[in-house]
Amino acid sequence: DGGITQSPKYLFRKEGQNVTLSCEQNLNHDAMYWYRQDPGQGLRLIYYSQIVNDFQKGDIAEGYSVSREKKESFPLTVTSAQKNPTAFYLCASSGGSDAGWEQYFGPGTRLTVT
Amino acid sequence: AQKITQTQPGMFVQEKEAVTLDCTYDTSDPSYGLFWYKQPSSGEMIFLIYQGSYDQQNATEGRYSLNFQKARKSANLVISASQLGDSAMYFCAMREIYTGNQFYFGTGTSLTVIP
Repeated sequence: DGGITQSPKYLFRKEGQNVTLSCEQNLNHDAMYWYRQDPGQGLRLIYYSQIVNDFQKGDIAEGYSVSREKKESFPLTVTSAQKNPTAFYLCASSGGSDAGWEQYFGPGTRLTVT
Repeated sequence: AQKITQTQPGMFVQEKEAVTLDCTYDTSDPSYGLFWYKQPSSGEMIFLIYQGSYDQQNATEGRYSLNFQKARKSANLVISASQLGDSAMYFCAMREIYTGNQFYFGTGTSLTVIP
């Protein structure tokens, strides 16, 4: 049963703490992505990775960090430098022409920082 | 310039009627893909339909069809026979194949189906 898992679904943290959001996929996709969504808004790209051990900043990378040590995993760390971290975070992956061109999304993590 | 533009923040449709959600795009990449996603209140992003830039026929998936007008750079989603469960946010997206595999999303359209 292939797909993308994100854990946890809800996450609460105190201001000033770093927090790591998990994203795992078993679709054998090369590319993985992290998006942030604020209430009533669209998706904004934080980071993406096209291959293991490589990643690129998206539009709003400041205050976030990622790693891609394994093809299946792309964790996102929200650091204390991120001024407004409370948001809905979506992880996605995509393959090539033989895997379908669309992005597959995880169920998301709602992060609340107080 | 915006890569994907959705000009309808909110739309209403009567149950069982058809509705068109607008999307225009901007790219110089000759090879690209266009997508529509549905996001219900639960937050999950559900893939609906895909159109490739070289596809001659408009894509269809059940009650969803994509009205692809390449010269006008538009990729409108048509939902036929609307159901109450179609009430959700709808996002148009584009993937440029040769320029980094990044996806670009529009700001979304909130669709409400009225019984």
